[in-house]
Amino acid sequence: AQSVSQHNHHVILSEAASLELGCNYSYGGTVNLFWYVQYPGQHLQLLLKYFSGDPLVKGIKGFEAEFIKSKFSFNLRKPSVQWSDTAEYFCAGGRYGNNRLAFGKGNQVVVIP
Amino acid sequence: KAGVTQTPRYLIKTRGQQVTLSCSPISGHRSVSWYQQTPGQGLQFLFEYFSETQRNKGNFPGRFSGRQFSNSRSEMNVSTLELGDSALYLCASSAGQGAVQETQYFGPGTRLLVL
Repeated sequence: AQSVSQHNHHVILSEAASLELGCNYSYGGTVNLFWYVQYPGQHLQLLLKYFSGDPLVKGIKGFEAEFIKSKFSFNLRKPSVQWSDTAEYFCAGGRYGNNRLAFGKGNQVVVIP
Repeated sequence: KAGVTQTPRYLIKTRGQQVTLSCSPISGHRSVSWYQQTPGQGLQFLFEYFSETQRNKGNFPGRFSGRQFSNSRSEMNVSTLELGDSALYLCASSAGQGAVQETQYFGPGTRLLVL
C-alpha cells in the first residue's frame, strides 16, 4: 500500500530562518506528489505539486520542493520564513491515474517573530 | 469560482446514531473524495466518487458509505456511530477527467463529535 512519511512533527524557528520539511513515499511507479498547508482555523490549501518534468517545483508564498526519485523524497523548502508561515504542513502522494491520496502525519511549524 | 462547500460545519451525535454529511464540489468538478482527519491517525482516505459511481475505496468498515448525485454533489453516511468516529471529515473535489494528473481541492470540513 502506498504510504507517505513526514518527520520532526513539531518545528519551531525564528523569522528569517530557513525551513526544510522532509517527505518520503514508499511506493514505486509514477507518482503524483503534493504539499498542502493548513493555517490556523482555515482549510487545507495546495502549496505545490509535482506530476512530471522538472523535479524542482515552485509553489505559492516562496515555497519550493524537490523530487528526488532515487531517494523517494519530496522535501519542502523555504529560504526565509515569516510569522505568517505558522501552520501545519502535509505531504501527500498518489499513484499516477488515481485520486486516492496518502497523507503524511503533518509538520506543525511555529515561526517566532 | 466558489470553493468546495460542506454542510453542516459542526455536528454532535451520540453513539449508535447515524449521520449524513454533504459536500458540494467546485463547479465543473466531477470527482469527489472524502477523508477522515483525526489527531491519532492523521488524514485517511475514505472513498472517491466519479459520475455517481464509487471509483476508489479506503480501508474503513461498511458503516461508512457515500453516494454522488447527477450534479456531482456528494453525501457520506456513517451508521451506528462509535466514539472513535469523532473526527474532521474533509471533502475534496477535482476535475475528474481521468485522475491522471489531478489536483484535489479541499473544503473546510465537518467536525463530528460523538458522545
